[in-house]
Amino acid sequence: AAGVIQSPRHLIKEKRETATLKCYPIPRHDTVYWYQQGPGQDPQFLISFYEKMQSDKGSIPDRFSAQQFSDYHSELNMSSLELGDSALYFCASSLGWQPYGYTFGSGTRLTVV
Amino acid sequence: EDQVTQSPEALRLQEGESSSLNCSYTVSGLRGLFWYRQDPGKGPEFLFTLYSAGEEKEKERLKATLTKKESFLHITAPKPEDSATYLCAVQARNSGGSNYKLTFGKGTLLTVNP
Repeated sequence: AAGVIQSPRHLIKEKRETATLKCYPIPRHDTVYWYQQGPGQDPQFLISFYEKMQSDKGSIPDRFSAQQFSDYHSELNMSSLELGDSALYFCASSLGWQPYGYTFGSGTRLTVV
Repeated sequence: EDQVTQSPEALRLQEGESSSLNCSYTVSGLRGLFWYRQDPGKGPEFLFTLYSAGEEKEKERLKATLTKKESFLHITAPKPEDSATYLCAVQARNSGGSNYKLTFGKGTLLTVNP
């Protein structure tokens, strides 16, 4: 079965640079969620999109922006990167409410140096 | 604001030594409580969903239970391959429409030694 695809798997950037993370949801899923997980931390909700519109916003810094495109893939754009942005970034997708929550991708590990 | 607290933060067991992980939660109307397993560098993998107090679910060596304030993940006769971080998350009933945000706890890092 198709899963949530995230790219790249690993990314190294310098401080003040910009990074773009991509997420391809499970086919026919209409909702995408972005989470940030710092070392040893729980996943923190950043933002979600439903049918290409932002549906909820969590602890996403103003330096970050995201959107969902017509093919339902989503991109998380991160500017003026800081050392503290180093984390695993997970994307998840769902079709409405599902009894297992939703399906997570394998994540993008961002390292800011 | 929804809150999830997991304990202990870390747990070391010998193979075959049964134990329980705790997840205490505060949520304004629970739609569901989820247990996930997460291996290092990977995305959370779904284990169970519990909807109402008194509910129990089992899968191999794992059993999840739910009360009105907390959930337990019981691990019976664990094996080294059960070593992982176990995350608990809640979804509030009042998050309707397209909002199915999960609020996670910080997880319990389980290590099972052979």
